[in-house]
Amino acid sequence: DTGVSQDPRHKITKRGQNVTFRCDPISEHNRLYWYRQTLGQGPEFLTYFQNEAQLEKSRLLSDRFSAERPKGSFSTLEIQRTEQGDSAMYLCASPLAGGGNEQFFGPGTRLTVL
Amino acid sequence: SQKIEQNSEALNIQEGKTATLTCNYTNYSPAYLQWYRQDPGRGPVFLLLIRENEKEKRKERLKVTFDTTLKQSLFHITASQPADSATYLCALRLSGSARQLTFGSGTQLTVLP
Repeated sequence: DTGVSQDPRHKITKRGQNVTFRCDPISEHNRLYWYRQTLGQGPEFLTYFQNEAQLEKSRLLSDRFSAERPKGSFSTLEIQRTEQGDSAMYLCASPLAGGGNEQFFGPGTRLTVL
Repeated sequence: SQKIEQNSEALNIQEGKTATLTCNYTNYSPAYLQWYRQDPGRGPVFLLLIRENEKEKRKERLKVTFDTTLKQSLFHITASQPADSATYLCALRLSGSARQLTFGSGTQLTVLP
């Protein structure tokens, strides 16, 4: 257990529905990352928060995706009008402070869009 | 274009042998290179980090080397055990970026008893 939790662990939805995932990072870590991982691939960066500020977004993050971290603690990732191509594992990570940026990952939310 | 390649999708070795996994990158100038272990259905777990000015790092049965001239890192597991079976991911943290990691696609290691 890395101390990062994600909810739900699994989500099955129908195409066109909206879904929201939650991440609770390690409490003293002020940075938080979202990644997406498809089968046989490594995680791909989606977006990054420092405290409540969203400082960077990948071009992978289409306008159907939105992320928030309202109080600089937990974060949510919402996908609107889901598509089958959104099926993936969504991972949240919070890094150690300092230059190395070793990341502590949560267990992920497995999304299946039917 | 920038690319990270891990030597093979799958590697099978006999218990007790040394597993060697390769990570090659092009068109990057990484500040750090990291290795992670990932078990099925779980998030990656950090193993080792090596900086651009370091040649080698060790932790218990693990050893990482980093050659910035060859743009390559090697990851070794000595005296391998079936419990070492997992997917191993290399990741780069670029200089001056938002510090996100860029991952390779991983090598699935199976240690046979």
